[in-house]
Amino acid sequence: GENVEQHPSTLSVQEGDSAVIKCTYSDSASNYFPWYKQELGKRPQLIIDIRSNVGEKKDQRIAVTLNKTAKHFSLHITETQPEDSAVYFCAASKAKGGSEKLVFGKGTKLTVNP
Amino acid sequence: DTGVSQDPRHKITKRGQNVTFRCDPISEHNRLYWYRQTLGQGPEFLTYFQNEAQLEKSRLLSDRFSAERPKGSFSTLEIQRTEQGDSAMYLCASHGSGGAGEQFFGPGTRLTVL
Repeated sequence: GENVEQHPSTLSVQEGDSAVIKCTYSDSASNYFPWYKQELGKRPQLIIDIRSNVGEKKDQRIAVTLNKTAKHFSLHITETQPEDSAVYFCAASKAKGGSEKLVFGKGTKLTVNP
Repeated sequence: DTGVSQDPRHKITKRGQNVTFRCDPISEHNRLYWYRQTLGQGPEFLTYFQNEAQLEKSRLLSDRFSAERPKGSFSTLEIQRTEQGDSAMYLCASHGSGGAGEQFFGPGTRLTVL
């Protein structure tokens, strides 16, 4: 089955710096890759997603890149702010057919220091 | 609130007791998922419903676990003869039909087995 690896497990940056989180997946049939942000004690919330027919997607300070050949995708956050501090999870899914269940990485705890 | 809701938010039980959790998905969503999240880990898939049909179950779902979605709306997850290892956050998510898209998560039920 699908396996998603996520690095680093913790990341500490200064406010205004950029943060990059990387994930790799094992199943070449996976074609949907969302990123969720989870604040302490709260539900995971989608911040950006990408499908396999696209190499890059950007939404204001957040961008995701996908390399299908290498089977890895990355989250980039620019101009970080203290409110970006949270745990970020990448996930992979096989869309179209089947359950489209999400397989998550283990998470990255991002701390943005003021 | 038109999002995914779960009840109860917290449950403390003694080992060996049965517990039942409820999930109310977004009303027009026909796909419903249960995930389990332990501390420091990403959510792990447990089971999936499309309308009232349970179409996929993870190997994580032992025979002590049962889930239902009798009318294709709300779902229940029951754990019989709870064990300390069942302590976790149980998350429900839903999304509509039409291909890959955001899974909206509920706030979760935190289970503590003493």
